[in-house]
This record gives sequence, structure tokens and C-alpha cells, in this order.
Amino acid sequence: SYELTQPLSVSVALGQTATISCGGNNIGSKNVHWYQQKLGQAPVLVIYRDNNRPSGIPERFSGSKSGNTATLTISRAQAGDEADYYCQLRDSGTWVFGGGTLLTVL
Amino acid sequence: EVQLLESGGGLVQPGGSLRLSCVASGFTFSTDAMTWVRQAPGKGLEWVSTIGRTGTTTYYAPSVKGRFTISRDDSESTLYLQMNSLRADDTAIYYCADSSDITTSERFDNWGQGTLVTVSS
Repeated sequence: SYELTQPLSVSVALGQTATISCGGNNIGSKNVHWYQQKLGQAPVLVIYRDNNRPSGIPERFSGSKSGNTATLTISRAQAGDEADYYCQLRDSGTWVFGGGTLLTVL
Repeated sequence: EVQLLESGGGLVQPGGSLRLSCVASGFTFSTDAMTWVRQAPGKGLEWVSTIGRTGTTTYYAPSVKGRFTISRDDSESTLYLQMNSLRADDTAIYYCADSSDITTSERFDNWGQGTLVTVSS
């Protein structure tokens, strides 16, 4: 079965840039989506198809992909960005999530 | 405004059954694929099942295949998940989500607030 690998945690200083990686075999051939989940809340789609932002998501959130890794970048990090972040893709007839990354804003 | 409202969760004994519902509003339900995703306490997100726009195509995670059945009633804008032979490791918050990407249904655009299922004796 397909697996997506994310770091357990990432820390970023207030106002700086955070990057969260998501690794998977042949990920370059698939569309990657990212979700933000704040404590006690439902997930929210923040990036779709690698680098597209849904309406209402700040421009500070961006996505990219290179080789076998997709990356979520959060610029000018704010305290309100503290959350779990999950990457996700569809692999044939299954949908796969990464294990999630806890972003801490210091 | 898109709204997804889950219900039907609760406490059930191992081996028991439960039926979850998700009522949708604010979009054309019949044009979206619909999905159930769950999250065990303190754990990450796990895809459970997806049903296509027409309801004729369904997909299941190996962990629930043969025990869970996804269905939809477009006349009521409602998604269902029938869960049988429940086990302790099915304990989780169950979210419903929609996919408006009609070509691939790859992503989950909107999510409900979830309903908690607890399997315990």
C-alpha cells in the first residue's frame, strides 16, 4: 500500500518561514493536497493539486513538489498557524494521508 | 455556505452495528463524490470510504472492507455509513467530506465537524 512520510513536528519562529515535507514513491506523478487541523476542529483544505490555494486561504500558504517530495510552505508564520498539517493524495482506488506534522510557532 | 452535519455516533459494544448520517447543504450534493474519513483519539487522519457521484462506484479501506457500507440518498442530500462487526480499533471521530473535483475526486474540499464512535464493552 502507498505511504506518505511526514516529520512528526516542525518548529518556526514567529514571522519566519516554515516548511513541512511529505515524501512518497513517485509522488511527482500524483496530485498532492494539504490540510490544516487545529486542535479540536475539523480539517481544512489549504492547498490542492500541489500548489493551488482554495478561496479564503492566505497567500502565505504555498505548495511545491520536487523529486519524491512535496512541500508545504508557510511564510510569515503566525500564532494562529499552530496546527497539525496533513498531506494527502489518491493512489488508484485508495486515498492516502500522511501521518501529520505538528507545527509549533515559537 | 457549504455545511456537512454528521450524526449517529455513540457507544456500541464490540461486534455491534451503527449507522452514521451526513446531511449536506449549500451545494449541489448530487454532483460531488462523498467520503468518510476517521481519526482515532490522538492519531492522524485515516481514509475510510468514498462513493462516486452516481452512487454506483464505491471504495473502501482494507481495514473496513466487508464490514462497512457507504451509500447516498441524493433526494435527501444525505450520505450514510453502515458499520457492522465493529471493533475497538474502529473507535474514532468520523468525518464526512465532499469532493467537488468531478474529474478525479482526489481531494476533500469541505468537512463536517465529525461524530464520535466509541466501541467498548
